[in-house]
Amino acid sequence: AQTVTQSQPEMSVQEAETVTLSCTYDTSESDYYLFWYKQPPSRQMILVIRQEAYKQQNATENRFSVNFQKAAKSFSLKISDSQLGDAAMYFCAYPYAMNYGGSQGNLIFGKGTKLSVKP
Amino acid sequence: EPEVTQTPSHQVTQMGQEVILRCVPISNHLYFYWYRQILGQKVEFLVSFYNNEISEKSEIFDDQFSVERPDGSNFTLKIRSTKLEDSAMYFCASSADSHSSYEQYFGPGTRLTVT
Repeated sequence: AQTVTQSQPEMSVQEAETVTLSCTYDTSESDYYLFWYKQPPSRQMILVIRQEAYKQQNATENRFSVNFQKAAKSFSLKISDSQLGDAAMYFCAYPYAMNYGGSQGNLIFGKGTKLSVKP
Repeated sequence: EPEVTQTPSHQVTQMGQEVILRCVPISNHLYFYWYRQILGQKVEFLVSFYNNEISEKSEIFDDQFSVERPDGSNFTLKIRSTKLEDSAMYFCASSADSHSSYEQYFGPGTRLTVT
């Protein structure tokens, strides 16, 4: 069964510093996608970054980048030059199909990491 | 920028009552989802919906739950007889396609409190 594990319930970073949030997952698929979502205090889920498993190059979106290790099934999120607005819950997510031929978009989420940014 | 909207933002109901949570997905999207997040826990998939029928549902989505797209814009989640454990944040999401590469756009959520 597919699982997503985030081992860091909470993390803290100084403003302007870099922080890395870890995520591991389990799947038997060879081609898939992985996502990081941000959930600020407003509770809205916002897509931060997406990684395609068949691409060796790590995805990057401005200050956000991933370290994708397919063999290790690891998908960590690096936030550079942290800003106060980055404070939020961060969820790693994996889309899958529960049934053969079903929707592949059903997301499994990790438990999340609460990131605090200190001024 | 198009967005998913949800109403109400907060719903308080008594145990045993029926509730309907409403969502307006992005207009050209075809796939719709409901997720639930119990306070302090992870987001859990409930159901996916396409072409006016359920595509997949999780084991959480039992007979007390139903979904409907009553018109061309709304997508609703109904809980027939609410239980205390149904208290959670309910998120609606939509995507242009069911493929896993497509981003799901989430609404702001409805906080359901069952007393």
